[in-house]
Amino acid sequence: SAVISQKPSRDICQRGTSLTIQCQVDSQVTMMFWYRQQPGQSLTLIATANQGSEATYESGFVIDKFPISRPNLTFSTLTVSNMSPEDSSIYLCSVPLLPTSASGANVLTFGAGSRLTVL
Amino acid sequence: AQRVTQPEKLLSVFKGAPVELKCNYSYSGSPELFWYVQYSRQRLQLLLRHISRESIKGFTADLNKGETSFHLKKPFAQEEDSAMYYCALSAGSNYKLTFGKGTLLTVNP
Repeated sequence: SAVISQKPSRDICQRGTSLTIQCQVDSQVTMMFWYRQQPGQSLTLIATANQGSEATYESGFVIDKFPISRPNLTFSTLTVSNMSPEDSSIYLCSVPLLPTSASGANVLTFGAGSRLTVL
Repeated sequence: AQRVTQPEKLLSVFKGAPVELKCNYSYSGSPELFWYVQYSRQRLQLLLRHISRESIKGFTADLNKGETSFHLKKPFAQEEDSAMYYCALSAGSNYKLTFGKGTLLTVNP
């Protein structure tokens, strides 16, 4: 299965600034996903990052706030823009665990996450 | 829209005792259900999925469509089972997962 590296692992940021989180995968994957886990909450899908096209955002998330880049099949970035304390969360990158041809292949593997604290 | 509910935030048992982590879901179609686990200082990882119908680390989970449940069970808990457990649902073949809020299992010696 793919190995995912995320950085930074954690950061403390000031209100109003922006932070870019990087996700590097050791193999080529078609789809990459960004999740957010707010304190005490479940993981929520932010967007699907597709190589060569605009990211697809879930309800409640917009490109201006969470711009995503996907320059190639092994790398993606998520930027958290104009941060407020409510953006303090763990942000996780994930990719499919199994080849798309595998039966019941809706399985994801996750990066270690980037813990963001906004003051 | 789909929803996953894990009613217990915390669950504490003694080593050797049976453990059951509850998961209920709401979805009008045929879902695919998963259990993910996060051990201390490790990343989130897949524990098992319902279509595999297998036992992983002694854990099993049966999809009950009548009760819309996917409870995780182990007959004899071990200390190394202490972790955060998340139930998740996939509503289609698009990898999008809906997660529950998780249950923190503590197995006491």
